[in-house]
Amino acid sequence: QQQVKQSPQSLIVQKGGISIINCAYENTAFDYFPWYQQFPGKGPALLIAIRPDVSEKKEGRFTISFNKSAKQFSLHIMDSQPGDSATYFCAASNRETSGSRLTFGEGTQLTVNP
Amino acid sequence: EAQVTQNPRYLITVTGKKLTVTCSQNMNHEYMSWYRQDPGLGLRQIYYSMNVEVTDKGDVPEGYKVSRKEKRNFPLILESPSPNQTSLYFCATSRSGGREAFFGQGTRLTVV
Repeated sequence: QQQVKQSPQSLIVQKGGISIINCAYENTAFDYFPWYQQFPGKGPALLIAIRPDVSEKKEGRFTISFNKSAKQFSLHIMDSQPGDSATYFCAASNRETSGSRLTFGEGTQLTVNP
Repeated sequence: EAQVTQNPRYLITVTGKKLTVTCSQNMNHEYMSWYRQDPGLGLRQIYYSMNVEVTDKGDVPEGYKVSRKEKRNFPLILESPSPNQTSLYFCATSRSGGREAFFGQGTRLTVV
């Protein structure tokens, strides 16, 4: 049973466009929602993260939007670049288990065409 | 340089032949985990360890064993590998109370 559901599975965007990836979770004990970025042949690396006491967090071209009542959060990549082409995973964890227990979504393969 | 090192990076083996994938970290992190990555399923946790000699099952532990005798090492053991364990495996570490997980480069395992 997937506790964090992610969509879409794949996404193709033109350079300069906006990429949007969505995630929904079930466990209300989750209190930390990171996004990981994975390039081919590499392990995932933390991109940006949010806690549920804020509705939005922005770092450069990357923004997380968080809707606690709907139990949904999303990643927006503004001005998408070919170098952003990667697999993106949303995840969730709670204070008790901290970084040792991340529940991941299914992943989204993003392709940004030049 | 902070590193999580997995070995081997690639492995092809036959059904039933015991194998070990090693994971070593130099960040002095307490937490270590193993994940498997499969298309359409994302990353699923196999086992995790909160500290030396403390391990617990993740979401998909069947067919795997782990041990944590030293803080820096967390090997993944497949006693009798089967084709359904063909996957991409990642070791990850994080510090106590920390939220960020640091991943190794991955081990691509094929069981024929």
